[in-house]
Amino acid sequence: DAMVIQNPRYQVTQFGKPVTLSCSQTLNHNVMYWYQQKSSQAPKLLFHYYDKDFNNEADTPDNFQSRRPNTSFCFLDIRSPGLGDAAMYLCATSRTSGTASYEQYFGPGTRLTVT
Amino acid sequence: QQQVKQSPQSLIVQKGGIPIINCAYENTAFDYFPWYQQFPGKGPALLIAIRPDVSEKKEGRFTISFNKSAKQFSLHIMDSQPGDSATYFCAASIPGGSYIPTFGRGTSLIVHP
Repeated sequence: DAMVIQNPRYQVTQFGKPVTLSCSQTLNHNVMYWYQQKSSQAPKLLFHYYDKDFNNEADTPDNFQSRRPNTSFCFLDIRSPGLGDAAMYLCATSRTSGTASYEQYFGPGTRLTVT
Repeated sequence: QQQVKQSPQSLIVQKGGIPIINCAYENTAFDYFPWYQQFPGKGPALLIAIRPDVSEKKEGRFTISFNKSAKQFSLHIMDSQPGDSATYFCAASIPGGSYIPTFGRGTSLIVHP
């Protein structure tokens, strides 16, 4: 089945040790997103790619970076994780065509623990 | 500033009850209103969505009611089941460009057997 895949599902890293989370999609969607979700909160958008164009949210810390080497893959890099970065990280995709937008499809998430 | 206000924050019903979750928005440019269902440890999944040209949409046991003049929309779950226990998020988006939904804060629903 076409889907959004995230790896790893669980990631433990040490305070300050860089970590990379990955996302791949078989939906051929042109938009990919990274969200941070903390317990009992709504997903918070960190950034998104519209095709190759990178769009950073104004309040996303510089500690978070992203790469999209091709349509199917997107990576989230956390350069120096702090305890406050422990969260679920969700990748999502959507397809846009002109002015018509389509709904998002979320991956299962990566649960990040910072020790 | 929260643009989509969701209530209640938590909701407990008995099996067979009809939980209702409400959302209100301020931006009249919103034209797409989805509801997402999220189970613990999983990503959100689209449940049902509505556009403002209709006042109601039903899919199985899930119904969205939409009141454009009041800028409110709600999710009704008919004949609720314990398997419906999850967190529900309403959202709203404006047309054009990337699809960037504005999420409500979520409602934790528990359906007791």
